[in-house]
Amino acid sequence: AQKITQTQPGMFVQEKEAVTLDCTYDTSDPSYGLFWYKQPSSGEMIFLIYQGSYDQQNATEGRYSLNFQKARKSANLVISASQLGDSAMYFCAMRESGETSYDKVIFGPGTSLSVIP
Amino acid sequence: KAGVTQTPRYLIKTRGQQVTLSCSPISGHRSVSWYQQTPGQGLQFLFEYFSETQRNKGNFPGRFSGRQFSNSRSEMNVSTLELGDSALYLCASRRNSGANVLTFGAGSRLTVL
Repeated sequence: AQKITQTQPGMFVQEKEAVTLDCTYDTSDPSYGLFWYKQPSSGEMIFLIYQGSYDQQNATEGRYSLNFQKARKSANLVISASQLGDSAMYFCAMRESGETSYDKVIFGPGTSLSVIP
Repeated sequence: KAGVTQTPRYLIKTRGQQVTLSCSPISGHRSVSWYQQTPGQGLQFLFEYFSETQRNKGNFPGRFSGRQFSNSRSEMNVSTLELGDSALYLCASRRNSGANVLTFGAGSRLTVL
């Protein structure tokens, strides 16, 4: 069964510094997608970045970049120049094949990031 | 364009009651997924609907059910509520089952007393 591991329950980072949030995944599907979502205390899930398994380059979106290492099955999120508003829960997610022929998206347990002024 | 709308945002029920939650997807999105989020279990996939058909189902008891209407709006129902059903229920839509990005609503926070 596919699954996602986020080994850091909580992280602290100084404002303006970079931080890396770890994500490893397990799948036997050759075609899959990896996502990162942010969930502030308000509860709404906000999409940050996407990486396809066949994408040759690491995805970047503004201050967010995804360090994709396919052989190691890792998809770490790098946030550059942290801001106070980055304090939130961060979830790694994967699009996987469901029990039917249609895919579904599953989530890791999340990492709580706190940005310190 | 309008985002994903979930109603109600907050509700309180007692054990044994049932509850219905509603989700209106982004216009043009035909796929709606439901997730349950609790502190202990994290985000758990409930089910996904596409064009009024359930495409995938998570590992939840039969008390959890859903449906999708012809306008792509979806409802989920939980019958015979238990204390452990207290959670944030998140709905997400995407254009089709193969599309990549899920867009989430703000969630419905259910408290079971």
